[in-house]
Amino acid sequence: NAGVTQTPKFRILKIGQSMTLQCTQDMNHNYMYWYRQDPGMGLKLIYYSVGAGITDKGEVPNGYNVSRSTTEDFPLRLELAAPSQTSVYFCASSNRDRSDEQYFGPGTRLTVT
Amino acid sequence: QQQVKQSPQSLIVQKGGIPIINCAYENTAFDYFPWYQQFPGKGPALLIAIRPDVSEKKEGRFTISFNKSAKQFSLHIMDSQPGDSATYFCAAKVAGGGNKLTFGTGTQLKVEL
Repeated sequence: NAGVTQTPKFRILKIGQSMTLQCTQDMNHNYMYWYRQDPGMGLKLIYYSVGAGITDKGEVPNGYNVSRSTTEDFPLRLELAAPSQTSVYFCASSNRDRSDEQYFGPGTRLTVT
Repeated sequence: QQQVKQSPQSLIVQKGGIPIINCAYENTAFDYFPWYQQFPGKGPALLIAIRPDVSEKKEGRFTISFNKSAKQFSLHIMDSQPGDSATYFCAAKVAGGGNKLTFGTGTQLKVEL
């Protein structure tokens, strides 16, 4: 199993551009999450999903959108990128029925200039 | 509003020392307290976790101490090694609600030879 994969690994965006961060998991997990990590701030939850077709806001959802059309994929969309969205983004997944453990992807480092 | 407060922000110990990282929480509905370990350029990975019905849990060289009345929990690393140098995050979860985690701000640990 590859676990949780994220693409791209790095990206530089200009202010006002948009992009989609891709996340795929092959563990058949029900739950998926998007976090952003900023220095000294820990991980903040952006959006999460408890299953295909169901998404909900986390702590810092402004400026982002998500969709979950399949169990495996949970893309994060940035519209009108702003410098405040410069961060490292992590996708994670967990299995509702087996454990509380969240499995994280390797991250996407995004710079908005 | 930060619901999980973590200290210290950084920590340097000598090989064989016992670093201790502390976390305090406010929400008494939290029912699961994991610690995640993150190496540079990687996503966080679950290290050890505890539920509030026990006061201590050990896994190898890693121990969580939990004080329910004080709403505090801590991570102890016995016989620390240079390979333990990483960033450590405490977290907490409320029962249900998609297994969402609230993370502390992280502790950067360096173990010197």
